[in-house]
Amino acid sequence: SQTIHQWPATLVQPVGSPLSLECTVEGTSNPNLYWYRQAAGRGLQLLFYSVGIGQISSEVPQNLSASRPQDRQFILSSKKLLLSDSGFYLCAWSHRRSEKLFFGSGTQLSVL
Amino acid sequence: SQQGEEDPQALSIQEGENATMNCSYKTSINNLQWYRQNSGRGLVHLILIRSNEREKHSGRLRVTLDTSKKSSSLLITASRAADTASYFCATAIQGAQKLVFGQGTRLTINP
Repeated sequence: SQTIHQWPATLVQPVGSPLSLECTVEGTSNPNLYWYRQAAGRGLQLLFYSVGIGQISSEVPQNLSASRPQDRQFILSSKKLLLSDSGFYLCAWSHRRSEKLFFGSGTQLSVL
Repeated sequence: SQQGEEDPQALSIQEGENATMNCSYKTSINNLQWYRQNSGRGLVHLILIRSNEREKHSGRLRVTLDTSKKSSSLLITASRAADTASYFCATAIQGAQKLVFGQGTRLTINP
């Protein structure tokens, strides 16, 4: 069966520090991968999606970047965090575009 | 405004009652999906309805889709305390490779 792993669960980082969040998927090949951000009590904002290795689409101009170095690995990064980067980050995957998403458990990022 | 907007933003009912949540959207879609999120957790897919379908059932869930009105509703029958969560609709926009989520409805079931 397919599983998605996202870590860490909680992260507290100072302003200006770098960020690396990792997400891996097991049990499937060539998944579509997504990074979403959720502000407290709000909906999800799509940040990046990828349909294959090295193929990244950015939805919103951000202080963030994404990379897909392997088929089932998706990384969210920042060189210098801002206060506004705080939020709940969710990784997700799907078999095909715009079909059912499977979400990771999320990372709560607090930038102080 | 958002592609998908849920209504109401918050709903509080007694256990055993039915809960209805609505979602409106603006552009043509391939499908519409509903997800559930418990506090501080990832989202869980509940049901997907395609643009050529009008109604779909899954257990205690009933979803309707009216493409002429660009709206959908999620009905949870015989609610339970464990149904307490936030519910989101997500639309698969035609020609796009992504889902766009609404702001969600926060449902509270009182025992």
